[in-house]
Amino acid sequence: KQEVTQIPAALSVPEGENLVLNCSFTDSAIYNLQWFRQDPGKGLTSLLLIQSSQREQTSGRLNASLDKSSGRSTLYIAASQPGDSATYLCAVHSNQFYFGTGTSLTVIP
Amino acid sequence: DVKVTQSSRYLVKRTGEKVFLECVQDMDHENMFWYRQDPGLGLRLIYFSYDVKMKEKGDIPEGYSVSREKKERFSLILESASTNQTSMYLCASSLRTGGVAKNIQYFGAGTRLSVL
Repeated sequence: KQEVTQIPAALSVPEGENLVLNCSFTDSAIYNLQWFRQDPGKGLTSLLLIQSSQREQTSGRLNASLDKSSGRSTLYIAASQPGDSATYLCAVHSNQFYFGTGTSLTVIP
Repeated sequence: DVKVTQSSRYLVKRTGEKVFLECVQDMDHENMFWYRQDPGLGLRLIYFSYDVKMKEKGDIPEGYSVSREKKERFSLILESASTNQTSMYLCASSLRTGGVAKNIQYFGAGTRLSVL
């Protein structure tokens, strides 16, 4: 069974810093990996989807990379802003979807 | 924009009640999913459906059933609610390509269910 781990569980940074969130998974046989954002008490908003054949995807200040062979993905956030404060989740699609427990990000003004 | 709508944001029910959670999507997606989210455990898949009247068990189907009579609607049923089913429930949908769900999952806003 696929296991997805996100480290760190919580992260606090000053505004303007660049930061990296990590996601690791145990089974490299995946179709895709998706990064989500979740605000408190809300549903999940998709940020980026990387297919298994891709190495990275970019959207604005966000860049996600995928190294399938090592079972790792990173989400890079450039020039962080207080509005980026949220929980970030990664989800791996193998035979079904498996989610990490998330990294809670706080960007301090 | 894809819209996934869950009928209730908050529900309070009593132990033993039958509970229906409804989810509707407006983008003609084949795949629909029900998850529950608990602190420290993340999202766990309860059931999913690849087509009308089709359903597959996820990781934690015990105590739940589902219904998919129409493509746009996926219902989660708690036959006899228990306190350990107090949780945040999230519905999602996605397109299906070539028999495999390669596409983005879109989520509803969630239903926070409390069973007393």
